[in-house]
Amino acid sequence: EPEVTQTPSHQVTQMGQEVILRCVPISNHLYFYWYRQILGQKVEFLVSFYNNEISEKSEIFDDQFSVERPDGSNFTLKIRSTKLEDSAMYFCASKREGGDRYTEAFFGQGTRLTVV
Amino acid sequence: LAKTTQPISMDSYEGQEVNITCSHNNIATNDYITWYQQFPSQGPRFIIQGYKTKVTNEVASLFIPADRKSSTLSLPRVSLSDTAVYYCLVGDINRGSTLGRLYFGRGTQLTVWP
Repeated sequence: EPEVTQTPSHQVTQMGQEVILRCVPISNHLYFYWYRQILGQKVEFLVSFYNNEISEKSEIFDDQFSVERPDGSNFTLKIRSTKLEDSAMYFCASKREGGDRYTEAFFGQGTRLTVV
Repeated sequence: LAKTTQPISMDSYEGQEVNITCSHNNIATNDYITWYQQFPSQGPRFIIQGYKTKVTNEVASLFIPADRKSSTLSLPRVSLSDTAVYYCLVGDINRGSTLGRLYFGRGTQLTVWP
């Protein structure tokens, strides 16, 4: 079964440092997303990306965050200057384009980001 | 977006059928009902989706009454590995300006005991 892969599985970084979380979505998918989940809390939407641009972003996704699809396969989330409260599990997801209404979102295994 | 309400937690024993009900009184005509499963430290995983009546796949059934104000996820003969958080999501998740943004609530923590 095709899957979304994320690297690294765990990243520890010092406050103020930049981090890049990487994702390889499923190859024929066209919609890409980042979500995060702080320990013990809800899964929260960060950003959606389609046709090489951001489609929607939440209030969490401020100027410290950016996304990029640098080539045909990778989808990255960059946090420019990490804060302690950025510690969370970050999930990448992808979705096949519609045509078929029942297009589920496939999530990766996540990257656990710990800011110290 | 229609708000969803589901139990915070449920307990069951291996081999039993588990039914998790979600209420969504303000569901809109274009909304679909989708259930996801999440194991600890893993990403959510799609289980099933439906619009009305009954949908069944290899892992679960989804029952939706005619008024669509609630839905019930049914897991037949659960095993220990079904212990997870189950999320009920309602929304026009496939089309529209949100382009598939998913809104997760707190979900239902299902614990299966031996």
